Amino acid sequence: GAGVSQSPRYKVAKRGQDVALRCDPISGHVSLFWYQQALGQGPEFLTYFQNEAQLDKSGLPSDRFFAERPEGSVSTLKIQRTQQEDSAVYLCASSLRAGLRTGQYEQYFGPGTRLTVT
Amino acid sequence: DQQVKQNSPSLSVQEGRISILNCDYTNSMFDYFLWYKKYPAEGPTFLISISSIKDKNEDGRFTVFLNKSAKHLSLHIVPSQPGDSAVYFCAASARGSQGNLIFGKGTKLSVKP
Repeated sequence: GAGVSQSPRYKVAKRGQDVALRCDPISGHVSLFWYQQALGQGPEFLTYFQNEAQLDKSGLPSDRFFAERPEGSVSTLKIQRTQQEDSAVYLCASSLRAGLRTGQYEQYFGPGTRLTVT
Repeated sequence: DQQVKQNSPSLSVQEGRISILNCDYTNSMFDYFLWYKKYPAEGPTFLISISSIKDKNEDGRFTVFLNKSAKHLSLHIVPSQPGDSAVYFCAASARGSQGNLIFGKGTKLSVKP
Protein backbone atom coordinates (compact mmCIF):
# COMPACT_ATOMS: atom_id res chain seq x y z
CA GLY A 1 0.00 0.00 0.00
CA ALA A 2 0.99 3.63 -0.31
CA GLY A 3 3.20 5.08 2.36
CA VAL A 4 3.54 8.67 3.47
CA SER A 5 4.31 10.96 0.58
CA GLN A 6 5.67 14.48 0.63
CA SER A 7 5.98 17.12 -2.03
CA PRO A 8 8.00 18.74 -3.31
CA ARG A 9 11.02 16.55 -2.58
CA TYR A 10 13.36 19.49 -3.06
CA LYS A 11 12.66 23.20 -2.77
CA VAL A 12 15.02 26.13 -3.27
CA ALA A 13 13.71 29.44 -2.01
CA LYS A 14 15.21 32.87 -1.98
CA ARG A 15 15.46 34.47 1.44
CA GLY A 16 12.16 36.19 2.22
CA GLN A 17 9.99 33.95 0.05
CA ASP A 18 7.06 31.96 1.41
CA VAL A 19 7.02 28.17 0.94
CA ALA A 20 4.38 25.47 1.38
CA LEU A 21 5.29 21.84 2.00
CA ARG A 22 2.71 19.11 1.56
CA CYS A 23 2.28 15.81 3.37
CA ASP A 24 -0.05 12.99 2.36
CA PRO A 25 -0.24 10.57 5.30
CA ILE A 26 -1.24 6.94 5.11
CA SER A 27 -4.99 6.74 4.62
CA GLY A 28 -6.86 6.36 7.90
CA HIS A 29 -3.97 7.46 10.09
CA VAL A 30 -5.24 9.66 12.88
CA SER A 31 -1.97 11.18 14.06
CA LEU A 32 0.31 13.36 11.96
CA PHE A 33 3.64 14.83 13.03
CA TRP A 34 6.02 17.31 11.42
CA TYR A 35 9.73 17.21 12.19
CA GLN A 36 12.67 19.36 11.09
CA GLN A 37 16.05 17.72 10.50
CA ALA A 38 19.08 19.98 10.16
CA LEU A 39 22.28 18.66 8.61
CA GLY A 40 24.04 16.22 10.94
CA GLN A 41 21.24 16.27 13.49
CA GLY A 42 18.34 14.04 14.38
CA PRO A 43 14.78 15.03 13.51
CA GLU A 44 13.26 17.62 15.87
CA PHE A 45 9.56 17.78 16.60
CA LEU A 46 7.63 20.74 15.20
CA THR A 47 3.91 20.05 15.57
CA TYR A 48 1.28 17.34 16.02
CA PHE A 49 -2.24 16.84 14.65
CA GLN A 50 -4.88 14.44 15.81
CA ASN A 51 -7.26 14.34 12.85
CA GLU A 52 -7.80 18.03 12.01
CA ALA A 53 -6.98 19.34 15.48
CA GLN A 54 -3.51 20.76 16.06
CA LEU A 55 -2.88 19.58 19.60
CA ASP A 56 0.75 20.54 19.99
CA LYS A 57 2.70 23.24 18.19
CA SER A 58 5.34 23.72 20.85
CA GLY A 59 8.18 22.83 18.48
CA LEU A 60 7.48 25.47 15.85
CA PRO A 61 10.57 27.72 15.96
CA SER A 62 8.82 31.01 15.23
CA ASP A 63 5.51 32.52 14.20
CA ARG A 64 6.72 32.33 10.61
CA PHE A 65 5.89 28.62 10.74
CA PHE A 66 2.29 27.56 10.33
CA ALA A 67 0.76 24.12 9.82
CA GLU A 68 -2.73 22.95 8.99
CA ARG A 69 -4.65 19.76 8.36
CA PRO A 70 -8.15 21.06 7.59
CA GLU A 71 -9.87 17.78 6.68
CA GLY A 72 -7.86 15.48 8.88
CA SER A 73 -5.85 13.96 6.05
CA VAL A 74 -3.42 16.04 3.95
CA SER A 75 -1.31 18.52 5.89
CA THR A 76 0.58 21.60 4.78
CA LEU A 77 3.51 23.22 6.56
CA LYS A 78 3.94 26.83 5.55
CA ILE A 79 7.00 28.94 6.23
CA GLN A 80 6.69 32.67 5.68
CA ARG A 81 9.59 34.99 4.90
CA THR A 82 12.10 32.13 4.81
CA GLN A 83 15.50 32.63 6.41
CA GLN A 84 18.75 30.75 5.83
CA GLU A 85 18.42 28.99 9.16
CA ASP A 86 15.21 27.38 7.87
CA SER A 87 17.30 25.25 5.48
CA ALA A 88 16.68 21.66 6.55
CA VAL A 89 14.83 18.48 5.66
CA TYR A 90 11.19 18.61 6.75
CA LEU A 91 9.80 15.21 7.62
CA CYS A 92 6.19 14.23 8.00
CA ALA A 93 5.12 11.11 9.90
CA SER A 94 1.76 9.51 10.48
CA SER A 95 0.52 6.99 12.97
CA LEU A 96 -2.64 4.89 13.06
CA ARG A 97 -3.62 5.68 16.62
CA ALA A 98 -3.79 8.64 18.93
CA GLY A 99 -3.94 9.31 22.62
CA LEU A 100 -1.57 9.29 25.50
CA ARG A 101 0.12 6.18 24.22
CA THR A 102 0.65 7.58 20.73
CA GLY A 103 4.39 7.29 21.19
CA GLN A 104 4.02 3.55 21.45
CA TYR A 105 2.60 3.23 18.00
CA GLU A 106 4.88 3.11 15.03
CA GLN A 107 5.28 6.39 13.19
CA TYR A 108 5.68 6.01 9.43
CA PHE A 109 7.86 8.70 7.90
CA GLY A 110 7.74 10.21 4.46
CA PRO A 111 10.92 10.83 2.43
CA GLY A 112 11.05 14.47 3.47
CA THR A 113 11.29 17.79 1.67
CA ARG A 114 14.78 19.26 1.49
CA LEU A 115 14.45 23.05 1.74
CA THR A 116 17.40 25.22 0.79
CA VAL A 117 17.12 28.94 1.41
CA THR A 118 19.61 31.03 -0.56
CA ASP B 1 20.43 20.42 26.12
CA GLN B 2 20.12 17.04 24.44
CA GLN B 3 17.74 14.62 26.11
CA VAL B 4 18.75 11.71 23.87
CA LYS B 5 22.43 11.27 23.13
CA GLN B 6 24.21 9.05 20.67
CA ASN B 7 27.85 9.71 21.39
CA SER B 8 29.33 7.73 18.52
CA PRO B 9 28.81 9.48 15.17
CA SER B 10 30.03 6.43 13.29
CA LEU B 11 30.75 2.73 13.67
CA SER B 12 32.48 0.32 11.30
CA VAL B 13 31.95 -3.44 11.62
CA GLN B 14 32.94 -6.48 9.62
CA GLU B 15 30.18 -8.50 7.97
CA GLY B 16 29.01 -11.34 10.19
CA ARG B 17 30.14 -9.70 13.43
CA ILE B 18 28.01 -7.96 16.03
CA SER B 19 27.15 -4.26 15.76
CA ILE B 20 26.39 -2.48 19.03
CA LEU B 21 24.89 0.99 18.88
CA ASN B 22 24.52 2.93 22.10
CA CYS B 23 22.14 5.61 23.31
CA ASP B 24 21.87 7.55 26.59
CA TYR B 25 18.98 9.66 27.80
CA THR B 26 18.43 12.15 30.58
CA ASN B 27 14.65 12.53 30.89
CA SER B 28 13.17 10.15 33.46
CA MET B 29 9.70 10.75 31.94
CA PHE B 30 10.64 8.75 28.85
CA ASP B 31 8.70 5.49 28.88
CA TYR B 32 9.07 4.22 25.33
CA PHE B 33 12.16 3.94 23.20
CA LEU B 34 12.52 3.28 19.51
CA TRP B 35 15.25 2.71 16.97
CA TYR B 36 14.90 4.01 13.43
CA LYS B 37 17.10 3.27 10.45
CA LYS B 38 17.65 5.81 7.70
CA TYR B 39 19.09 5.45 4.22
CA PRO B 40 20.16 8.56 2.25
CA ALA B 41 17.29 10.50 0.66
CA GLU B 42 14.70 8.39 2.47
CA GLY B 43 12.70 8.94 5.62
CA PRO B 44 13.51 7.06 8.82
CA THR B 45 12.13 3.51 8.98
CA PHE B 46 11.02 1.95 12.25
CA LEU B 47 13.23 -0.92 13.37
CA ILE B 48 12.44 -2.00 16.91
CA SER B 49 11.09 -0.56 20.14
CA ILE B 50 10.99 -1.23 23.86
CA SER B 51 8.74 -0.15 26.69
CA SER B 52 10.29 1.05 29.92
CA ILE B 53 8.70 -1.88 31.77
CA LYS B 54 10.96 -4.28 29.88
CA ASP B 55 14.71 -4.64 29.71
CA LYS B 56 15.02 -6.53 26.44
CA ASN B 57 13.16 -6.89 23.17
CA GLU B 58 14.25 -9.10 20.31
CA ASP B 59 13.20 -9.23 16.67
CA GLY B 60 15.21 -11.48 14.43
CA ARG B 61 18.77 -10.17 14.16
CA PHE B 62 17.91 -7.07 16.20
CA THR B 63 17.83 -6.85 19.99
CA VAL B 64 17.35 -3.75 22.08
CA PHE B 65 18.48 -3.67 25.71
CA LEU B 66 17.28 -1.08 28.21
CA ASN B 67 19.07 -0.24 31.48
CA LYS B 68 16.76 2.20 33.24
CA SER B 69 19.01 2.81 36.23
CA ALA B 70 21.81 3.88 33.90
CA LYS B 71 19.41 5.60 31.48
CA HIS B 72 21.07 3.69 28.69
CA LEU B 73 19.89 1.58 25.81
CA SER B 74 21.68 -0.32 23.11
CA LEU B 75 20.83 -1.94 19.81
CA HIS B 76 22.58 -5.18 18.90
CA ILE B 77 22.62 -6.45 15.33
CA VAL B 78 23.80 -10.04 14.91
CA PRO B 79 25.06 -10.99 12.41
CA SER B 80 25.70 -7.69 10.70
CA GLN B 81 25.11 -7.53 6.95
CA PRO B 82 26.26 -4.96 4.36
CA GLY B 83 22.60 -3.98 3.83
CA ASP B 84 22.52 -2.82 7.46
CA SER B 85 24.79 0.09 6.52
CA ALA B 86 22.71 3.18 7.31
CA VAL B 87 22.27 5.88 9.94
CA TYR B 88 20.57 4.61 13.10
CA PHE B 89 18.57 6.97 15.27
CA CYS B 90 17.58 6.35 18.85
CA ALA B 91 14.29 8.03 19.82
CA ALA B 92 12.19 8.33 22.95
CA SER B 93 8.64 9.23 23.84
CA ALA B 94 7.63 10.77 27.17
CA ARG B 95 4.84 9.59 29.42
CA GLY B 96 1.84 11.86 29.00
CA SER B 97 3.04 13.37 25.75
CA GLN B 98 1.12 13.28 22.50
CA GLY B 99 3.66 10.85 21.16
CA ASN B 100 6.16 13.20 19.59
CA LEU B 101 9.56 11.57 19.44
CA ILE B 102 12.83 13.00 20.77
CA PHE B 103 15.69 11.83 18.57
CA GLY B 104 19.42 11.48 19.06
CA LYS B 105 21.83 12.73 16.41
CA GLY B 106 22.30 9.30 14.89
CA THR B 107 25.14 6.82 14.40
CA LYS B 108 26.31 5.96 10.90
CA LEU B 109 26.92 2.21 10.70
CA SER B 110 29.14 0.81 7.96
CA VAL B 111 29.23 -2.96 7.56
CA LYS B 112 32.17 -4.03 5.45
CA PRO B 113 32.01 -7.24 3.36
